[in-house]
Amino acid sequence: QKEVEQDPGPLSVPEGAIVSLNCTYSNSAFQYFMWYRQYSRKGPELLMYTYSSGNKEDGRFTAQVDKSSKYISLFIRDSQPSDSATYLCAMSASDYKLSFGAGTTVTVRA
Amino acid sequence: DAGITQSPRYKITETGRQVTLMCHQTWSHSYMFWYRQDLGHGLRLIYYSAAADITDKGEVPDGYVVSRSKTENFPLTLESATRSQTSVYFCASRGQLGLAGGHTGELFFGEGSRLTVL
Repeated sequence: QKEVEQDPGPLSVPEGAIVSLNCTYSNSAFQYFMWYRQYSRKGPELLMYTYSSGNKEDGRFTAQVDKSSKYISLFIRDSQPSDSATYLCAMSASDYKLSFGAGTTVTVRA
Repeated sequence: DAGITQSPRYKITETGRQVTLMCHQTWSHSYMFWYRQDLGHGLRLIYYSAAADITDKGEVPDGYVVSRSKTENFPLTLESATRSQTSVYFCASRGQLGLAGGHTGELFFGEGSRLTVL
């Protein structure tokens, strides 16, 4: 069993829809949780960062962490075609060595 | 320009050949990492380095060798390439933790090196 599980999708939604992405994990030591966005043929870039449990909002993006369920989510409101990318969850216990999910490919249709 | 650069961006080689992927960063970050990305597996850590002359194995180190004689460079060598090493390789860097552990944990990635082993 992988340490971090993420549904690879792909996910296709119409413009303006809410995109919901999630990951589950098995390592209870994880306390740093991140979402990276990766455009085609590019390197990943940090999108959201959360320490421990709770919610974090940044514009159209909301990240949620539920440590009791070992479950994290990313919501994208009012999705745009420019949001089309692969989204990778990542987490760490020590904050320097990350464990990544497989990534979910999202397409937002205009 | 400041940043992290990888070379070559694309490489085709044959089984058994030695291949070196280069990584250079201009931020003087302490930590550097090599990941491989394969469909269905996401990013898997091959090797990482906490500082010059300090390296350690990640999740999938077999068949790879790294060195870090200078802070800014972190080359990855496949000593005898195999087909299973066909992948996209990403180098990343990050700085030292802040005094209050307030570092964001952000890794800065290069654009990747796409390697095909025939």
